[in-house]
Amino acid sequence: AQSVTQLDSHVSVSEGTPVLLRCNYSSSYSPSLFWYVQHPNKGLQLLLKYTSAATLVKGINGFEAEFKKSETSFHLTKPSAHMSDAAEYFCVVNRGGYQKVTFGTGTKLQVIP
Amino acid sequence: KAGVTQTPRYLIKTRGQQVTLSCSPISGHRSVSWYQQTPGQGLQFLFEYFSETQRNKGNFPGRFSGRQFSNSRSEMNVSTLELGDSALYLCASRPGTGGFYEQYFGPGTRLTVT
Repeated sequence: AQSVTQLDSHVSVSEGTPVLLRCNYSSSYSPSLFWYVQHPNKGLQLLLKYTSAATLVKGINGFEAEFKKSETSFHLTKPSAHMSDAAEYFCVVNRGGYQKVTFGTGTKLQVIP
Repeated sequence: KAGVTQTPRYLIKTRGQQVTLSCSPISGHRSVSWYQQTPGQGLQFLFEYFSETQRNKGNFPGRFSGRQFSNSRSEMNVSTLELGDSALYLCASRPGTGGFYEQYFGPGTRLTVT
């Protein structure tokens, strides 16, 4: 079985300050992990993915995430928030095979000017 | 490559009617998944198809069904529509079902049931 928990439903940051969106996962086997972003009334776009290579993964738009097996975490970070980062972010776990792709409940990021 | 396309983009139906939504995956992608997104329930998995076979199904009533054709295009059908079926329906495709494959999402179909 696999599951994913996004620890914050809403995060608010000031423009230019760091962003931290937290995600913990549970999986019986080594999973692949993803972060997606959804802007209002849009589909989801892949930000980055971890597939058992480097534990620090760099994605688009300056985002990165670190896979920590000992903490079963895959937190998303960005050094400096931009107004265009305001969106909803989803953490996703997938072991593959017959396991369905499992989405977290999402974190809405608000960026204050 | 063209992205995932979904038709129609917007749809208004009356309670009790049925609706069919269509999804064309990225060329070469054989897996198609469907999701329902609402403000109250968030993003919920409906089903996944791979090579015309349903591999996984979410916790939705039998009114929700789907199928995949030999060219990997997929349709989902909702019969006897209820007001609560109003949602954004998202389709996603990926090359296969391996865990390392990311999903590519379409823009969604906005269904409104009145």
